[in-house]
Amino acid sequence: EIVMTQSPATLSVSPGERATLSCRASQSVGSNLAWYQQKPGQAPRLLIYGASTRATGIPARFSGSGSGTEFTLTISSLQSEDFTVYYCQQYNNWPPGTFGGGTKVEIK
Amino acid sequence: EVQLMESGGGLVHPGGSLRLSCAASAFTFSRYSMHWVRQAPGKGLEWVSYISSSSRTIYYTDSVKGRFTISRDNAKNSLYLQMNSLRAEDTAVYYCARDYDGIGELLGYWGQGTLVTVSS
Repeated sequence: EIVMTQSPATLSVSPGERATLSCRASQSVGSNLAWYQQKPGQAPRLLIYGASTRATGIPARFSGSGSGTEFTLTISSLQSEDFTVYYCQQYNNWPPGTFGGGTKVEIK
Repeated sequence: EVQLMESGGGLVHPGGSLRLSCAASAFTFSRYSMHWVRQAPGKGLEWVSYISSSSRTIYYTDSVKGRFTISRDNAKNSLYLQMNSLRAEDTAVYYCARDYDGIGELLGYWGQGTLVTVSS
């Protein structure tokens, strides 16, 4: 089973600044990497798939990059609604589609 | 807009059973594969099970194999998860999710979740 590791666990950023979240896979997953956003008390929402393709309706300030074992989610200018938890998930060696432990983006 | 609504959660004793349902609307249910994903209180996400659009292909995570059964009724636009021999570690919010535009492995649309608590 592929292990996904997200860092940092918590990221403190000021509104309007850039946030960079990392996700590392224990072995190559190609570009089969997705990012999800989860707000408190809500279900997760698909943000990015194929490592860099935004899902329908996702604002352009969200971008993904990387391949193989190293991936990044960048939020270019943090809005108030972006301060929440983000998960990466690999779907290359599937099933199971293993998730990372999450990164919480908090207001600095 | 895709709508998914889970139901059937609740408090159950260890060793007990529960059947979750997921009612789908606003899309052609029979064309899409579906998943169950769970989240223990205060924890991260764990994929649980998958069923293809025709029910021909089914997968489970190792920890629920032999205890959980996923099924669907395309005529009723409904997805189910029969959970038997429940354990304390099965306590979680259970979400149903639809694939994303034919990419079966992706969790494109989610319901609001239903809480399952396994406790004596």
